[in-house]
Amino acid sequence: GAGVSQSPSNKVTEKGKDVELRCDPISGHTALYWYRQSLGQGLEFLIYFQGNSAPDKSGLPSDRFSAERTGGSVSTLTIQRTQQEDSAVYLCASSFSQGHEQYFGPGTRLTVT
Amino acid sequence: GNSVTQMEGPVTLSEEAFLTINCTYTATGYPSLFWYVQYPGEGLQLLLKATKADDKGSNKGFEATYRKETTSFHLEKGSVQVSDSAVYFCALGRGDSNYQLIWGAGTKLIIKP
Repeated sequence: GAGVSQSPSNKVTEKGKDVELRCDPISGHTALYWYRQSLGQGLEFLIYFQGNSAPDKSGLPSDRFSAERTGGSVSTLTIQRTQQEDSAVYLCASSFSQGHEQYFGPGTRLTVT
Repeated sequence: GNSVTQMEGPVTLSEEAFLTINCTYTATGYPSLFWYVQYPGEGLQLLLKATKADDKGSNKGFEATYRKETTSFHLEKGSVQVSDSAVYFCALGRGDSNYQLIWGAGTKLIIKP
């Protein structure tokens, strides 16, 4: 079956612009996660959804970052007024439920110029 | 707080050599431990996991044993192949929920023929 998909695969944007990153989880997976991977770094947890609710937003780096999930499926991560330090690969993962194996998408590479 | 430390790379080995990639952790509670692998141009995928002390996870010839006394989860393989070249990430799931994975920085492995 289809895995986790993310779009766009690459995004180049100017500093100060807003961007939206999309994640389509595996069908039937109730849990969805966003991570950020900066060059040479491990993954940084951003936010976790169980269904449409986000019980843990503790990893969002600033109030410029927000995320939503609708219909228990697709999620969008929005970064407002992008800064150069936002440049990274943004990874989405989904799992059958909390605590189960997480399946990762290919990521969106964001470059802020 | 919870953290994962893994050996810095890159690690360069010849084909058929023995591999060890060290991973140590600090955590409260009783976390699960994971190794993920990222092959060139591909997304992260779970390689193996262990959910309690003394458990051994194994897959594709790789093994790791959950050692609570040394807080370690070292990855080993007896005879590596060129196709094992990838970046390997050690991660722990928080003991209370396991949904928020805490990641090491990753170790790049290069296998030369």
